[in-house]
Amino acid sequence: EPEVTQTPSHQVTQMGQEVILRCVPISNHLYFYWYRQILGQKVEFLVSFYNNEISEKSEIFDDQFSVERPDGSNFTLKIRSTKLEDSAMYFCASSVGSRSQYFGPGTRLTVT
Amino acid sequence: QKEVEQDPGPLSVPEGAIVSLNCTYSNSAFQYFMWYRQYSRKGPELLMYTYSSGNKEDGRFTAQVDKSSKYISLFIRDSQPSDSATYLCAMEPQGAQKLVFGQGTRLTINP
Repeated sequence: EPEVTQTPSHQVTQMGQEVILRCVPISNHLYFYWYRQILGQKVEFLVSFYNNEISEKSEIFDDQFSVERPDGSNFTLKIRSTKLEDSAMYFCASSVGSRSQYFGPGTRLTVT
Repeated sequence: QKEVEQDPGPLSVPEGAIVSLNCTYSNSAFQYFMWYRQYSRKGPELLMYTYSSGNKEDGRFTAQVDKSSKYISLFIRDSQPSDSATYLCAMEPQGAQKLVFGQGTRLTINP
């Protein structure tokens, strides 16, 4: 069964450093998303991406964040200058239409 | 008032019991309702997706939506220890491309 994959599974970085989280969505899916889950809290929407542009973003997704689909298969989330409060699990998701989103296993980001 | 409310539990039941998990919501714009299962330190796994009020069944799982009461439920019949996980309700507003999640209910099925 096709699935969303994410790399790395765990990323440790120092405050102020840039990180790129990578995702390979399910191949025939057209909509792509990033969510995050701070430990013990609910899953929160960050951004949705369709037709090579951001279709919706939350107030969390500020100028420090960007997304890109560089090569038709990967979907990346970049955090320009990480803060301690960016420590969380980051989930990529994809869908055929704009619902029934399938999630990847997540990248645990630890900012020290 | 939170957009989506879900009792975090924990909920512990014996194997074979019927489990009822619930969410309430306040935003009338929510039109699509999902249930996800999340094992510890894993990504959410889509279980059920419903649109209209009423019931939808898939194996041992039944999703129920009551839009007039802004209340959704997931029932698990003949619960198994492998059903032990956190269950997340999620909702999508009409015309939006994002999911709003509940807190999740941690469920343990005891053999």
